[in-house]
Amino acid sequence: EVQLVESGGGLVQPGESLRLSCAASGFTMSSYGMNWVRQAPGKGLEWVASISGSGGTTNYADSVKGRFIISRDSSKNTLFLQMSSLRADDSAVYYCAKDGYYYDSGGHKNYLHYWGQGTLVNVSS
Amino acid sequence: QSVLTQPPSVSGAPGQRITVSCSGSNSNIGAGYDVHWHQQVPGTAPKLLIYGNNNRPPGVSDRFSGSTSGTSASLAITALQADDEADYYCLSYDSSLSGWVFGGGTKLTVL
Repeated sequence: EVQLVESGGGLVQPGESLRLSCAASGFTMSSYGMNWVRQAPGKGLEWVASISGSGGTTNYADSVKGRFIISRDSSKNTLFLQMSSLRADDSAVYYCAKDGYYYDSGGHKNYLHYWGQGTLVNVSS
Repeated sequence: QSVLTQPPSVSGAPGQRITVSCSGSNSNIGAGYDVHWHQQVPGTAPKLLIYGNNNRPPGVSDRFSGSTSGTSASLAITALQADDEADYYCLSYDSSLSGWVFGGGTKLTVL
């Protein structure tokens, strides 16, 4: 059974840094792309960052580019999100999500399959 | 302002059929990128409902179905039930942004 457990959230002041973790079980993380998605209080879902199965490719939303870094430790089957220069509008529940894969006439494709339960980040002075 | 546009809310009575629309552009849905749908009961994590435009993961009721046409997509729910009350999000890939884009979400109320 796939399980994703986020941790590391909390209250931080603007300008500070925080590192989120997502511990995975039930699958080998190095075989799957992984993602971070956030949801501000009372708002919708916003994709934050993705890392490929090989770890060689990362992508970021413009809103976090240059401030956040997605990475993983395959030996620990754990995904990370290093967040720096945090702002009030970064306050949100942060979810990690595992890719799923399928094939159709267009070839090999992916989607966000399993989600963790989320960890709350509150950036406030 | 979300890249994919959804109505903020829809409603229907038990047993009825409703649809949720998701409007995109030529850099996402119109470019041929598939649409996926997620369901989120308030206070809980999102859950995959539809992937690849119209594929249901194991365990998802066949009352849920998806479709696409041009730069838009739709989620249909038939035989509405009280526990269908949730927020529904469409998701696709955007080539201009080089990343995933979500719709703003649609709150379904079962009357």
